[in-house]
Amino acid sequence: DVKVTQSSRYLVKRTGEKVFLECVQDMDHENMFWYRQDPGLGLRLIYFSYDVKMKEKGDIPEGYSVSREKKERFSLILESASTNQTSMYLCASSLRATYNSPLHFGNGTRLTVT
Amino acid sequence: QKEVEQNSGPLSVPEGAIASLNCTYSDRGSQSFFWYRQYSGKSPELIMSIYSNGDKEDGRFTAQLNKASQYVSLLIRDSQPSDSATYLCAVATQGGSEKLVFGKGMKLTVNP
Repeated sequence: DVKVTQSSRYLVKRTGEKVFLECVQDMDHENMFWYRQDPGLGLRLIYFSYDVKMKEKGDIPEGYSVSREKKERFSLILESASTNQTSMYLCASSLRATYNSPLHFGNGTRLTVT
Repeated sequence: QKEVEQNSGPLSVPEGAIASLNCTYSDRGSQSFFWYRQYSGKSPELIMSIYSNGDKEDGRFTAQLNKASQYVSLLIRDSQPSDSATYLCAVATQGGSEKLVFGKGMKLTVNP
């Protein structure tokens, strides 16, 4: 089974802090994704990466950056956390192009910014 | 803007009934269709994928795809209380940035 591991289940950070969310997958998947999920808004794509050191903006990249230095690891960075970034963050990976390869999600990180 | 629409719900069915969840999508170039189940407080898990017109059955679950009408549905037969969850429809197009577009989800409650 594919395992996607997010480093923290719950995080509480202060406004203005730099926040790192880490994600590791163990199945040599090409693609990795960061989503946030909010009530009434559903899943929204922040960034994704289809190869090491490659990244593409999703639908809501503002206020976020990402890093993929190794194939198995994809980090989401909140440069200066704000209260409107309080959310559930979900990392996902897929073997190859998503049109024929489903996403596998990690357990999620619930981030609260105070 | 590619859109995926699901019935607003919530849907409540008695145990043993058939639950029917529907999804429409706007992009005619869509190639792949997925259903995810998400329990409260948990992350989505894949339960069905379908790529060609028609029905695909897996246990109590049947996915139905009609590309001409641009809809995909999920039927859950003999619904169980453990099926109570939010069901997310996701649609992918071929080529380009190859992102999945998710619907906002339909909450299903199966009453014992």
